Amino acid sequence: DAGVTQSPTHLIKTRGQHVTLRCSPISGHKSVSWYQQVLGQGPQFIFQYYEKEERGRGNFPDRFSARQFPNYSSELNVNALLLGDSALYLCASSIGGNEQFFGPGTRLTVL
Amino acid sequence: DQQVKQNSPSLSVQEGRISILNCDYTNSMFDYFLWYKKYPAEGPTFLISISSIKDKNEDGRFTVFLNKSAKHLSLHIVPSQPGDSAVYFCAARPRSSYGKLTFGQGTILTVHP
Repeated sequence: DAGVTQSPTHLIKTRGQHVTLRCSPISGHKSVSWYQQVLGQGPQFIFQYYEKEERGRGNFPDRFSARQFPNYSSELNVNALLLGDSALYLCASSIGGNEQFFGPGTRLTVL
Repeated sequence: DQQVKQNSPSLSVQEGRISILNCDYTNSMFDYFLWYKKYPAEGPTFLISISSIKDKNEDGRFTVFLNKSAKHLSLHIVPSQPGDSAVYFCAARPRSSYGKLTFGQGTILTVHP
């Protein structure tokens, strides 16, 4: 079975631009969570979606938004990019939420 | 407010010996704890977990211990192997938030042959 997949792998944007990151969960997993990992830190929770509804939101500004589609894939959108948004963005899927399985991440660089 | 802390940024161990990675937490609402391993350019890989109703869980070479009164958990790897060299993260979640994990800062484990 395929694991969690994320696209793109790498992305370079300039300040003020908008970015969309995509995630496909493991087949059968209905929960998707997004995390931001900056260098030298652990992943920080951004959003969780379950059955297309937002179930949790971390301490991130409104520039960050997400959605989940009927096939349980998900998008993370970030508007008005700042230099500080440069990070590895991780998507994780789970069945019940206990053991989350992570994708390889999208490395976002904001110049 | 760092609710999950891994106070050792790095740990160096000889092959075949025991590796002990430590993690402290402050939020008493946490009731499920996990350890992840991360290699460069890859996402975190789930290793082992423990519920707050237990104080020990084993899976092969990996054992996690939970001391609820001290709000402390540890991961023991015996015997350590060079392939175990990676960044290890502990994570925790409260009972009410299945999809929201709070991670520590990570510990870089290096196992020398």
